[in-house]
Amino acid sequence: GENVEQHPSTLSVQEGDSAVIKCTYSDSASNYFPWYKQELGKRPQLIIDIRSNVGEKKDQRIAVTLNKTAKHFSLHITETQPEDSAVYFCAASMVSFQKLVFGTGTRLLVSP
Amino acid sequence: GAVVSQHPSWVICKSGTSVKIECRSLDFQATTMFWYRQFPKQSLMLMATSNEGSKATYEQGVEKDKFLINHASLTLSTLTVTSAHPEDSSFYICSAKGGSGNTEAFFGQGTRLTVV
Repeated sequence: GENVEQHPSTLSVQEGDSAVIKCTYSDSASNYFPWYKQELGKRPQLIIDIRSNVGEKKDQRIAVTLNKTAKHFSLHITETQPEDSAVYFCAASMVSFQKLVFGTGTRLLVSP
Repeated sequence: GAVVSQHPSWVICKSGTSVKIECRSLDFQATTMFWYRQFPKQSLMLMATSNEGSKATYEQGVEKDKFLINHASLTLSTLTVTSAHPEDSSFYICSAKGGSGNTEAFFGQGTRLTVV
């Protein structure tokens, strides 16, 4: 089955810096890659997603890149703000199969 | 986005009792619902996938007789933790998806179960 690895497990940056979180997946059949932000005790919130027919997607300060050949994808957050502090999870799935396999999570701390 | 409501948000129960958690899609028909378990500071681990009107598909290592899942309608799935023990204490989250063309999964707010 699919296996998703995520790095780093923790990431501390200064406000205004950029943050990059990386994930690798094992199943070449996966074609949908969402990123979720989860605050303590809350539900995961989808922040951006990408399908395998696209190499990059951007939404304001957030961008995701996908390298299908290498089977890895990354989340990029620019101009970080303290409210970006949370745990971020990447995930992978085959659209037709639907279930999401999550990465291990990255705890992002943005210091003022 | 669509709304998924999970109830209760938290529950404390005694060892040996059963607890039922509900997951409802409020404004769309959820053909598929997923149940996850999340331990503190860890990732979401998929427990089972349920499709309306059919038996749930459990992930390897998940006891189907202990974690009973029912998806009786397109808007409701339930997870029953039977004969709960302290090691079952965890954060349980459901998610729901619409039709086959809809990739986004919407999450419930989660249920924190504490077994004493």
